[in-house]
Amino acid sequence: EDQVTQSPEALRLQEGESSSLNCSYTVSGLRGLFWYRQDPGKGPEFLFTLYSAGEEKEKERLKATLTKKESFLHITAPKPEDSATYLCAVQVPMGGQNFVFGPGTRLSVLP
Amino acid sequence: DSGVTQTPKHLITATGQRVTLRCSPRSGDLSVYWYQQSLDQGLQFLIQYYNGEERAKGNILERFSAQQFPDLHSELNLSSLELGDSALYFCASSGLQGGSYNEQFFGPGTRLTVL
Repeated sequence: EDQVTQSPEALRLQEGESSSLNCSYTVSGLRGLFWYRQDPGKGPEFLFTLYSAGEEKEKERLKATLTKKESFLHITAPKPEDSATYLCAVQVPMGGQNFVFGPGTRLSVLP
Repeated sequence: DSGVTQTPKHLITATGQRVTLRCSPRSGDLSVYWYQQSLDQGLQFLIQYYNGEERAKGNILERFSAQQFPDLHSELNLSSLELGDSALYFCASSGLQGGSYNEQFFGPGTRLTVL
């Protein structure tokens, strides 16, 4: 069964304190790995897509990396506005382009 | 703003009732996805439509059904509602580029409360 786990479940950082979020997956036939940011009560907002091991993508204070079994979302010098839940999802070829989401990491950045 | 619209924003109804949620995808996107998000279950994929046809089915109950119309908008029908169906329902759309589906763009969601 295709599975996606994320750790930690919750993370509290001081403003400027860099850290990493982990997304581990066990899927057959990975088509892509996606990172989303979700604010409370709102729809997820797309951040990155990674397709192959070794690939990296950056956007402002965020950098996503991918290996054969996991992905990391590195947050450099975070600000309070980075507080949100970060979701990772994998795309698998299950009778169509199916997506499996992880449970998310709830990030709080304190001023 | 993702360009995906969902109506209504909030819906309160009683057990046993039936409701319809509506979604309009981003302009040009042919694929529509429906998700359910509850506090204890996270984001659960329900169903995907591509250009009017069902493409993939996830954890969708038999009491739930969906369709995508010729103008590409989609509706999710929930019937015989139970208390446990209370959740946020999201619609997302995506385009096709280079033969592969792109990232999904999510709507603002419909919050369903079943009393």
